[in-house]
Amino acid sequence: SQTIHQWPATLVQPVGSPLSLECTVEGTSNPNLYWYRQAAGRGLQLLFYSVGIGQISSEVPQNLSASRPQDRQFILSSKKLLLSDSGFYLCAWSGGGASGQPQHFGDGTRLSIL
Amino acid sequence: GENVEQHPSTLSVQEGDSAVIKCTYSDSASNYFPWYKQELGKRPQLIIDIRSNVGEKKDQRIAVTLNKTAKHFSLHITETQPEDSAVYFCAASGIAGSARQLTFGSGTQLTVLP
Repeated sequence: SQTIHQWPATLVQPVGSPLSLECTVEGTSNPNLYWYRQAAGRGLQLLFYSVGIGQISSEVPQNLSASRPQDRQFILSSKKLLLSDSGFYLCAWSGGGASGQPQHFGDGTRLSIL
Repeated sequence: GENVEQHPSTLSVQEGDSAVIKCTYSDSASNYFPWYKQELGKRPQLIIDIRSNVGEKKDQRIAVTLNKTAKHFSLHITETQPEDSAVYFCAASGIAGSARQLTFGSGTQLTVLP
C-alpha cells in the first residue's frame, strides 16, 4: 500500500533563517505531488505541484520554492523565512491521469516563525 | 480556474441529528468531488468521493449527492456522533496547467453536541 512521510512534525525557526521540509512517498511510481499551507483555522492553500521529476508549478508568488529531485521526493525550501510563513504545511500525493484523483495527505509540519 | 464555495462555515447539531454541508463549483469540466475530514491538528482524510457520472453515493452514515446541472454537491451525515466533530472540506477536480488539481472549499466546522 502507498504511504507518505513528511518531516519534521514541528519546527520553530527565527525570521530570516532558511527552511527545508521533505516529503517522500512509498508504494507508487510517478505520483503527482503537492505542497499546501494551512493557516490556523483556515482552508488549504495550494503552494506548488509537480507532475514529474524537475517539473514544478507554482500557484502563489512567495519566498518559498519547491524541488523534486527524485520521483517520490518533494522538498519545500526557503532562503529567508518571514513571519507570515508560519502555518501548517501539508504534502500530498495523487495518481496521474485525465480523471480527477483523490489526494492523500502526509501528517504535516507545524512551522512557527519567531 | 475552478472556484468552490462551501456553506455553512460553522454547523452545530445535536447528537443523533443529521448534518448537511453544501458546496458549489464553477468549472463544468470538473469530474471528481471528494470530501475530507480534518480533526484538530491532524491531516485531512478522505471520507467519501463521487464522480460526475454518479448522482449519489453512500457509505454507512455518510452520503454525497451531486447535481451537475446546478453545479453543486452536498455531504450528508446521519445519526451524528461526537466523534464526527471536525472540519469538513469539499473539493472539485478541474484542470489547471499540466495536471488535474483539487480546488478546496473554505471548510465547515461541525460540532456535534452530546
